[in-house]
Amino acid sequence: DAGITQSPRHKVTETGTPVTLRCHQTENHRYMYWYRQDPGHGLRLIHYSYGVKDTDKGEVSDGYSVSRSKTEDFLLTLESATSSQTSVYFCAIRGDRGLTDTQYFGPGTRLTVL
Amino acid sequence: GQQLNQSPQSMFIQEGEDVSMNCTSSSIFNTWLWYKQDPGEGPVLLIALYKAGELTSNGRLTAQFGITRKDSFLNISASIPSDVGIYFCAGGSYNTDKLIFGTGTRLQVFP
Repeated sequence: DAGITQSPRHKVTETGTPVTLRCHQTENHRYMYWYRQDPGHGLRLIHYSYGVKDTDKGEVSDGYSVSRSKTEDFLLTLESATSSQTSVYFCAIRGDRGLTDTQYFGPGTRLTVL
Repeated sequence: GQQLNQSPQSMFIQEGEDVSMNCTSSSIFNTWLWYKQDPGEGPVLLIALYKAGELTSNGRLTAQFGITRKDSFLNISASIPSDVGIYFCAGGSYNTDKLIFGTGTRLQVFP
Protein backbone atom coordinates (compact mmCIF):
# COMPACT_ATOMS: atom_id res chain seq x y z
CA ASP A 1 0.00 0.00 0.00
CA ALA A 2 1.67 3.21 -1.22
CA GLY A 3 -0.53 5.48 0.95
CA ILE A 4 -2.27 7.24 -1.95
CA THR A 5 -5.93 8.18 -1.99
CA GLN A 6 -7.92 9.91 -4.69
CA SER A 7 -11.20 11.76 -4.36
CA PRO A 8 -13.79 11.56 -5.60
CA ARG A 9 -13.62 8.02 -6.96
CA HIS A 10 -16.45 8.67 -9.40
CA LYS A 11 -17.87 11.89 -10.78
CA VAL A 12 -20.42 12.82 -13.41
CA THR A 13 -20.52 16.43 -14.52
CA GLU A 14 -21.76 18.57 -17.35
CA THR A 15 -19.82 20.22 -20.14
CA GLY A 16 -18.53 23.64 -19.16
CA THR A 17 -18.42 23.07 -15.40
CA PRO A 18 -15.19 23.22 -13.40
CA VAL A 19 -13.96 20.02 -11.80
CA THR A 20 -11.19 19.43 -9.25
CA LEU A 21 -9.73 16.04 -8.47
CA ARG A 22 -7.64 15.50 -5.38
CA CYS A 23 -4.70 13.22 -4.76
CA HIS A 24 -3.48 12.75 -1.21
CA GLN A 25 -0.36 10.90 -0.08
CA THR A 26 0.80 9.96 3.39
CA GLU A 27 4.39 9.05 2.41
CA ASN A 28 5.90 12.57 2.15
CA HIS A 29 7.22 11.94 -1.37
CA ARG A 30 8.51 14.85 -3.39
CA TYR A 31 7.23 13.78 -6.82
CA MET A 32 3.55 13.38 -7.72
CA TYR A 33 1.96 12.75 -11.12
CA TRP A 34 -1.45 12.94 -12.82
CA TYR A 35 -2.24 10.57 -15.69
CA ARG A 36 -5.30 9.85 -17.74
CA GLN A 37 -6.09 6.42 -19.12
CA ASP A 38 -8.19 5.89 -22.23
CA PRO A 39 -8.78 2.80 -24.36
CA GLY A 40 -6.14 2.51 -27.05
CA HIS A 41 -3.91 5.15 -25.46
CA GLY A 42 -2.65 3.60 -22.27
CA LEU A 43 -1.43 5.95 -19.55
CA ARG A 44 -0.68 9.51 -20.61
CA LEU A 45 0.95 12.10 -18.38
CA ILE A 46 -1.03 15.29 -17.80
CA HIS A 47 1.09 17.21 -15.25
CA TYR A 48 3.54 16.38 -12.54
CA SER A 49 5.02 18.06 -9.49
CA TYR A 50 8.56 17.89 -8.13
CA GLY A 51 7.87 19.83 -4.97
CA VAL A 52 5.52 22.27 -3.30
CA LYS A 53 4.50 24.86 -5.91
CA ASP A 54 6.81 23.22 -8.49
CA THR A 55 4.95 21.68 -11.41
CA ASP A 56 5.54 20.87 -15.06
CA LYS A 57 3.48 19.82 -18.06
CA GLY A 58 3.12 16.36 -19.48
CA GLU A 59 2.13 15.29 -22.97
CA VAL A 60 -1.62 16.01 -22.64
CA SER A 61 -1.76 19.12 -20.45
CA ASP A 62 -4.12 21.28 -22.53
CA GLY A 63 -7.35 22.00 -20.64
CA TYR A 64 -5.86 21.01 -17.28
CA SER A 65 -4.16 22.88 -14.46
CA VAL A 66 -2.60 21.65 -11.24
CA SER A 67 -1.66 23.00 -7.86
CA ARG A 68 0.45 21.75 -5.01
CA SER A 69 0.38 23.93 -1.90
CA LYS A 70 1.28 21.09 0.48
CA THR A 71 3.55 18.07 0.06
CA GLU A 72 0.70 15.65 0.64
CA ASP A 73 -1.87 17.08 -1.78
CA PHE A 74 -1.79 17.43 -5.57
CA LEU A 75 -4.91 18.86 -7.21
CA LEU A 76 -5.94 18.50 -10.85
CA THR A 77 -8.44 21.05 -12.18
CA LEU A 78 -10.45 21.01 -15.35
CA GLU A 79 -11.39 24.67 -15.70
CA SER A 80 -14.25 23.98 -18.10
CA ALA A 81 -14.86 20.29 -18.60
CA THR A 82 -15.39 18.89 -22.10
CA SER A 83 -16.64 15.49 -23.23
CA SER A 84 -13.13 14.65 -24.47
CA GLN A 85 -11.99 14.78 -20.85
CA THR A 86 -14.17 11.82 -19.95
CA SER A 87 -11.56 9.37 -18.74
CA VAL A 88 -10.09 7.56 -15.78
CA TYR A 89 -7.57 9.70 -13.92
CA PHE A 90 -4.74 8.25 -11.90
CA CYS A 91 -2.42 9.91 -9.47
CA ALA A 92 1.01 8.46 -8.80
CA ILE A 93 3.89 9.12 -6.44
CA ARG A 94 7.52 8.38 -7.08
CA GLY A 95 9.62 6.26 -4.80
CA ASP A 96 12.96 7.47 -3.53
CA ARG A 97 15.41 4.91 -4.86
CA GLY A 98 17.99 6.92 -6.78
CA LEU A 99 17.60 9.00 -9.91
CA THR A 100 15.18 6.80 -11.80
CA ASP A 101 12.45 5.76 -9.45
CA THR A 102 9.44 3.56 -9.52
CA GLN A 103 5.97 5.06 -9.46
CA TYR A 104 3.07 3.88 -7.33
CA PHE A 105 -0.49 4.54 -8.39
CA GLY A 106 -3.66 5.53 -6.61
CA PRO A 107 -7.01 3.78 -7.15
CA GLY A 108 -8.20 6.22 -9.84
CA THR A 109 -11.09 8.61 -10.43
CA ARG A 110 -13.62 7.84 -13.13
CA LEU A 111 -14.86 11.10 -14.62
CA THR A 112 -17.77 11.35 -17.02
CA VAL A 113 -18.50 14.66 -18.75
CA LEU A 114 -21.95 14.80 -20.30
CA GLY B 1 3.79 11.13 -27.29
CA GLN B 2 6.29 8.34 -27.12
CA GLN B 3 5.04 4.90 -26.16
CA LEU B 4 6.73 1.59 -25.83
CA ASN B 5 5.84 -1.25 -28.18
CA GLN B 6 4.33 -3.99 -26.07
CA SER B 7 3.34 -7.38 -27.44
CA PRO B 8 1.20 -9.26 -27.71
CA GLN B 9 -1.75 -6.91 -27.35
CA SER B 10 -3.87 -9.69 -25.89
CA MET B 11 -3.52 -13.32 -24.90
CA PHE B 12 -6.09 -16.02 -24.27
CA ILE B 13 -4.55 -18.97 -22.48
CA GLN B 14 -5.58 -21.98 -20.48
CA GLU B 15 -4.96 -22.24 -16.75
CA GLY B 16 -1.59 -23.81 -16.06
CA GLU B 17 0.10 -22.50 -19.21
CA ASP B 18 3.14 -20.26 -19.16
CA VAL B 19 2.92 -16.71 -20.52
CA SER B 20 5.52 -14.47 -22.13
CA MET B 21 5.21 -10.84 -23.10
CA ASN B 22 7.73 -8.21 -24.06
CA CYS B 23 8.33 -4.53 -24.47
CA THR B 24 10.64 -2.83 -26.95
CA SER B 25 11.83 0.71 -27.46
CA SER B 26 13.95 2.67 -29.90
CA SER B 27 15.52 4.44 -26.91
CA ILE B 28 17.58 3.02 -24.10
CA PHE B 29 16.28 3.05 -20.54
CA ASN B 30 17.91 2.85 -17.14
CA THR B 31 14.85 1.36 -15.44
CA TRP B 32 12.23 -1.10 -16.60
CA LEU B 33 9.05 -1.60 -14.61
CA TRP B 34 6.20 -4.08 -14.95
CA TYR B 35 2.70 -3.33 -13.64
CA LYS B 36 -0.56 -5.24 -13.48
CA GLN B 37 -3.95 -3.56 -13.57
CA ASP B 38 -7.17 -5.23 -12.48
CA PRO B 39 -10.52 -3.87 -13.72
CA GLY B 40 -11.50 -0.71 -11.88
CA GLU B 41 -8.17 -0.47 -10.05
CA GLY B 42 -4.92 1.41 -10.43
CA PRO B 43 -1.78 -0.28 -11.81
CA VAL B 44 0.15 -2.24 -9.21
CA LEU B 45 3.91 -2.60 -9.44
CA LEU B 46 5.03 -6.20 -9.98
CA ILE B 47 8.73 -6.01 -10.70
CA ALA B 48 11.33 -3.23 -11.00
CA LEU B 49 14.59 -3.71 -12.94
CA TYR B 50 17.53 -1.34 -12.60
CA LYS B 51 20.46 -2.94 -14.45
CA ALA B 52 21.00 -4.26 -17.98
CA GLY B 53 20.87 -8.05 -17.97
CA GLU B 54 19.14 -8.18 -14.59
CA LEU B 55 16.74 -11.09 -14.06
CA THR B 56 14.29 -10.70 -11.19
CA SER B 57 11.53 -12.95 -9.90
CA ASN B 58 8.42 -12.29 -7.85
CA GLY B 59 6.71 -15.57 -7.16
CA ARG B 60 5.60 -17.06 -10.49
CA LEU B 61 6.64 -13.90 -12.32
CA THR B 62 10.08 -13.37 -13.82
CA ALA B 63 11.24 -10.27 -15.66
CA GLN B 64 14.46 -9.43 -17.46
CA PHE B 65 16.14 -6.16 -18.37
CA GLY B 66 17.47 -6.61 -21.91
CA ILE B 67 21.21 -6.35 -22.52
CA THR B 68 20.70 -3.63 -25.14
CA ARG B 69 18.63 -1.66 -22.58
CA LYS B 70 15.97 -1.29 -25.25
CA ASP B 71 13.75 -4.17 -24.23
CA SER B 72 12.33 -6.13 -21.35
CA PHE B 73 10.46 -9.40 -20.92
CA LEU B 74 7.90 -10.66 -18.44
CA ASN B 75 7.14 -14.34 -17.97
CA ILE B 76 4.36 -15.84 -15.88
CA SER B 77 4.61 -19.52 -15.10
CA ALA B 78 1.70 -21.88 -14.43
CA SER B 79 -0.99 -19.25 -14.93
CA ILE B 80 -4.01 -19.14 -12.64
CA PRO B 81 -7.36 -17.32 -13.02
CA SER B 82 -6.29 -14.39 -10.82
CA ASP B 83 -3.55 -13.56 -13.33
CA VAL B 84 -6.27 -12.05 -15.51
CA GLY B 85 -5.72 -8.36 -16.12
CA ILE B 86 -3.73 -5.88 -18.16
CA TYR B 87 0.05 -5.88 -17.87
CA PHE B 88 1.98 -2.69 -18.58
CA CYS B 89 5.66 -2.12 -19.02
CA ALA B 90 7.28 1.25 -18.33
CA GLY B 91 10.75 2.62 -18.99
CA GLY B 92 12.59 5.34 -17.12
CA SER B 93 15.75 7.34 -17.78
CA TYR B 94 18.15 9.26 -15.56
CA ASN B 95 17.68 12.49 -17.52
CA THR B 96 13.92 12.73 -17.02
CA ASP B 97 11.42 12.64 -14.20
CA LYS B 98 8.90 10.78 -16.34
CA LEU B 99 8.12 7.20 -17.26
CA ILE B 100 7.17 6.01 -20.72
CA PHE B 101 4.42 3.37 -20.70
CA GLY B 102 3.66 0.49 -23.00
CA THR B 103 0.22 0.04 -24.52
CA GLY B 104 -0.52 -3.00 -22.37
CA THR B 105 -1.07 -6.73 -22.79
CA ARG B 106 -4.53 -7.98 -21.87
CA LEU B 107 -4.37 -11.48 -20.39
CA GLN B 108 -7.34 -13.81 -20.18
CA VAL B 109 -7.01 -17.18 -18.43
CA PHE B 110 -9.56 -19.90 -19.03
CA PRO B 111 -10.06 -22.77 -16.58
